[in-house]
Amino acid sequence: DTGVSQDPRHKITKRGQNVTFRCDPISEHNRLYWYRQTLGQGPEFLTYFQNEAQLEKSRLLSDRFSAERPKGSFSTLEIQRTEQGDSAMYLCASSFGDTNQPQHFGDGTRLSIL
Amino acid sequence: LAKTTQPISMDSYEGQEVNITCSHNNIATNDYITWYQQFPSQGPRFIIQGYKTKVTNEVASLFIPADRKSSTLSLPRVSLSDTAVYYCLVGLSYSSASKIIFGSGTRLSIRP
Repeated sequence: DTGVSQDPRHKITKRGQNVTFRCDPISEHNRLYWYRQTLGQGPEFLTYFQNEAQLEKSRLLSDRFSAERPKGSFSTLEIQRTEQGDSAMYLCASSFGDTNQPQHFGDGTRLSIL
Repeated sequence: LAKTTQPISMDSYEGQEVNITCSHNNIATNDYITWYQQFPSQGPRFIIQGYKTKVTNEVASLFIPADRKSSTLSLPRVSLSDTAVYYCLVGLSYSSASKIIFGSGTRLSIRP
């Protein structure tokens, strides 16, 4: 069990650029979650996959955001035409079984928009 | 939607027992109570989960009264490394992941 891995750990980009983050969950975990966290706040739910199916999306996830989990393994989160307000920590978590099971988090990707 | 209320911050000293209480008046029958710990620049880390009465593991205890409208995370003999933000969550029994709300957590500071 190597834990949840996220790449890159930090991303600095100019406003208007597209960025893509990757998450590798714990193998055999069927559920994968994406969260966004801003300074001083707790993580906010963005979207959730069960295997390869994206089952829920938060209203926070505007049309500029898209997430995929091909083959039910790793996941990517893409932000198009980034804005200043997108600056945040993007966290990925995975779990096995139903929603009662605790989530295992990666250490996130910190996005800074110049 | 089960909202939680926690103190914004707490201070304590090394070697003391720390109790952090979380209120969740609207907890549903099937909801579990889960606590996470988060250090700066790291993702949250699961500490403990319970449904009723008392749960204990190697790092903490969780006390849940009969009405389940609150819960208390107890950290025995804290050290400087326990300085972190602690989040109380309820509602993991929901099939809807969007109902998982972390809130702002409790910022615990441990002094020598």
